Amino acid sequence: AQSVAQPEDQVNVAEGNPLTVKCTYSVSGNPYLFWYVQYPNRGLQFLLKYITGDNLVKGSYGFEAEFNKSQTSFHLKKPSALVSDSALYFCAVRDGRRGSTLGRLYFGRGTQLTVWP
Amino acid sequence: DVKVTQSSRYLVKRTGEKVFLECVQDMDHENMFWYRQDPGLGLRLIYFSYDVKMKEKGDIPEGYSVSREKKERFSLILESASTNQTSMYLCASSLRDSSYNEQFFGPGTRLTVL
Repeated sequence: AQSVAQPEDQVNVAEGNPLTVKCTYSVSGNPYLFWYVQYPNRGLQFLLKYITGDNLVKGSYGFEAEFNKSQTSFHLKKPSALVSDSALYFCAVRDGRRGSTLGRLYFGRGTQLTVWP
Repeated sequence: DVKVTQSSRYLVKRTGEKVFLECVQDMDHENMFWYRQDPGLGLRLIYFSYDVKMKEKGDIPEGYSVSREKKERFSLILESASTNQTSMYLCASSLRDSSYNEQFFGPGTRLTVL
């Protein structure tokens, strides 16, 4: 079965410090991995994805994520956090097998990031 | 710019009412999805559709039905609303046969059932 775990409900970091939001996954076949961000009372916005290739993926707003196949992880990172990064972050995985169910994504429960000024 | 719109941002209904939530996308996407979002539970898939008039159950379809009569429109129906269906409802769409099929989300409808 496909699943995603975000082990931290909350991450707090001071502005200017590096941030990491953790994600581990379980999937049959090659994983396609995604990060989304949700600001209050808004829908989800796509941040970045890993399909294949370089293990370090760069995305929007200065975020990047590192794919680690041996640890089945896809942690979201940013070198210097901003107060405006405070939001809810979701990791998601898609089953990469041929014929897998129509692009369905499996989401983690979300991690609330708070950046203190 | 890609766009997914939902008919209402906020909705208040009474127990037993029939509720329609509408979603429209302008990207010619084949796939459309309905999720509900509850604190601590993340996003849970209710139904999805990969083509006009086609639908598949997600993880929590009970108490819901869907309709897709046109490619751009995907409706979620609560046949008889109950208080435990109070939630944020999110619609999304994506391309069907692409490795790059991230989902694009609408702004959400916050439904309260009294």
